[in-house]
Amino acid sequence: GEEVAQTPKHLVRGEGQKAKLYCAPIKGHSYVFWYQQVLKNEFKFLISFQNENVFDETGMPKERFSAKCLPNSPCSLEIQATKLEDSAVYFCASSQREPTQETQYFGPGTRLLVL
Amino acid sequence: QKEVEQDPGPLSVPEGAIVSLNCTYSNSAFQYFMWYRQYSRKGPELLMYTYSSGNKEDGRFTAQVDKSSKYISLFIRDSQPSDSATYLCAMKLGVGGFKTIFGAGTRLFVKA
Repeated sequence: GEEVAQTPKHLVRGEGQKAKLYCAPIKGHSYVFWYQQVLKNEFKFLISFQNENVFDETGMPKERFSAKCLPNSPCSLEIQATKLEDSAVYFCASSQREPTQETQYFGPGTRLLVL
Repeated sequence: QKEVEQDPGPLSVPEGAIVSLNCTYSNSAFQYFMWYRQYSRKGPELLMYTYSSGNKEDGRFTAQVDKSSKYISLFIRDSQPSDSATYLCAMKLGVGGFKTIFGAGTRLFVKA
């Protein structure tokens, strides 16, 4: 498709529960990115993939966060044992690689609320 | 110190005004500079993309990059109420899977 799809739109979890978010990138895009937006505007990079391989995971809190992009499946971001501070909007983006130009297309986000 | 500094505003202007939005950055290795627009409860959409120092124009939007000063700007001419949104500057070290570092975003209100 021509849009990045993210599911679910909203997710509510009790502290300590697991949360799993999904992202279907635009068909043909090689790169997938996950970002966390806390307090409306602070975007934090979490991880990027080139196809199914991790490209950059320097933003991931490794103890509780994990992500995968497997062939023929939506990409996923999983948070084990959620904490209150994980409440945020999680955006997925995808892009193709072009030598001098790049457009990252963002999905609508998944709003996670941890109570 | 944050890698990218952006005044969060809010910035309120009358319709038709010229809007100037700015960001400064600390890492001289950044090569690619973007401006995104984000409407409430939506994902960001790319407005402008620049690689080198200088100006780039697209309709009512002009992006400016000054690598020597580590300063980027976005100008919006003849602003419209529909331009009311949050504007995020962003930058990358390289294309492809390199992470994008975002500014905090500036909230813009254009009054009719």
